[in-house]
Amino acid sequence: ETGVTQTPRHLVMGMTNKKSLKCEQHLGHNAMYWYKQSAKKPLELMFVYNFKEQTENNSVPSRFSPECPNSSHLFLHLHTLQPEDSALYLCASSQDDYRSTDTQYFGPGTRLTVL
Amino acid sequence: TQLLEQSPQFLSIQEGENLTVYCNSSSVFSSLQWYRQEPGEGPVLLVTVVTGGEVKKLKRLTFQFGDARKDSSLHITAAQPGDTGLYLCAGENTGNQFYFGTGTSLTVIP
Repeated sequence: ETGVTQTPRHLVMGMTNKKSLKCEQHLGHNAMYWYKQSAKKPLELMFVYNFKEQTENNSVPSRFSPECPNSSHLFLHLHTLQPEDSALYLCASSQDDYRSTDTQYFGPGTRLTVL
Repeated sequence: TQLLEQSPQFLSIQEGENLTVYCNSSSVFSSLQWYRQEPGEGPVLLVTVVTGGEVKKLKRLTFQFGDARKDSSLHITAAQPGDTGLYLCAGENTGNQFYFGTGTSLTVIP
């Protein structure tokens, strides 16, 4: 059990819909991450939050909007997505943002399909 | 540009066989991690290696970091069906950029 939960586990949405993904960690960690996992591509880091502040945005399109109201919760707001945005979206947390040495704990992911 | 290439991409073996998967780069990494991701779950960290030439063992799994810190290997002895999953390497290069590899999907047939 990782202590990182994500909801919903599956989501199907149209290109004009607005939806949100939720991530919650019960580990007392300070850093949280959103990743995108597509078939045949490496895991792509999208956003990093450290102590509720966004510290990294890896050129993610504005149709993805993250929100971190506190260090335990992370949201990914979705608007006007494209079919190529269909993927598994993974949330992770770690004690601090030292990815090379801190253990990142991943949630089970949200499988997103954009029609 | 693929910074961390993993091979093979897919591997299907019989229970009890041994296997090795590789993670290669042209860049030097200050550390390398190996994760396993089972279907329907997120990746779980198996090990972190930080010293060139370092070897770590986790039961039937042996991890090695190359002397030049550009590559790593994972060797599994007597594979079990429970070893089935996607194996991911990840590392931070000397430019403080953290990347995941392309992954190796392993299936162990009972």
